[in-house]
Amino acid sequence: KQEVTQIPAALSVPEGENLVLNCSFTDSAIYNLQWFRQDPGKGLTSLLLIQSSQREQTSGRLNASLDKSSGRSTLYIAASQPGDSATYLCAVPEGGGADGLTFGKGTHLIIQP
Amino acid sequence: GAGVSQTPSNKVTEKGKYVELRCDPISGHTALYWYRQSLGQGPEFLIYFQGTGAADDSGLPNDRFFAVRPEGSVSTLKIQRTERGDSAVYLCASSSDRGVNEQFFGPGTRLTVL
Repeated sequence: KQEVTQIPAALSVPEGENLVLNCSFTDSAIYNLQWFRQDPGKGLTSLLLIQSSQREQTSGRLNASLDKSSGRSTLYIAASQPGDSATYLCAVPEGGGADGLTFGKGTHLIIQP
Repeated sequence: GAGVSQTPSNKVTEKGKYVELRCDPISGHTALYWYRQSLGQGPEFLIYFQGTGAADDSGLPNDRFFAVRPEGSVSTLKIQRTERGDSAVYLCASSSDRGVNEQFFGPGTRLTVL
């Protein structure tokens, strides 16, 4: 059964810093990997999806990389802003691409103004 | 609608009661998922529908939990004889299930069992 781990569990940095969030998974035979953002009391917002054949995806100040063989993904946030404060979750399908997702516990990020 | 919607946003019930939670997926999405999220944890998969049928219900914790999607669009998660441990946020997601399979989530229903 797939297990997903996110490090660190919490992170607090001053505004303007570049930062990296880490995600690891135990079964490298993944179909894709998805990064989400969750604001307090809200649902999940999809940030980036990386297909298994891709090594990275970019959206604005966000860049996600995927190394299937080592079971790792990173989410890079450039020039962080207070509005980036949220919990960031990574998830992979349990089996095939249409399967339910297995999530990490998330990284709680605070950007200090 | 533009996104996934869920009703009610909050539900408070007493132990032993029956509850229904509703999910309206993005129009045209054939795949629909239910998850449960406890405080401080990531969402936990419950059940996945492809069209009207449950393709994978391996995440349902016990037989008190049941979900339907009779017309392949709206889905209802049903919980019988609720217990205090059922208190959580119940999230619904949908996907077009064509190619990318990106899942889009609704705002969730916060269930509190007293």
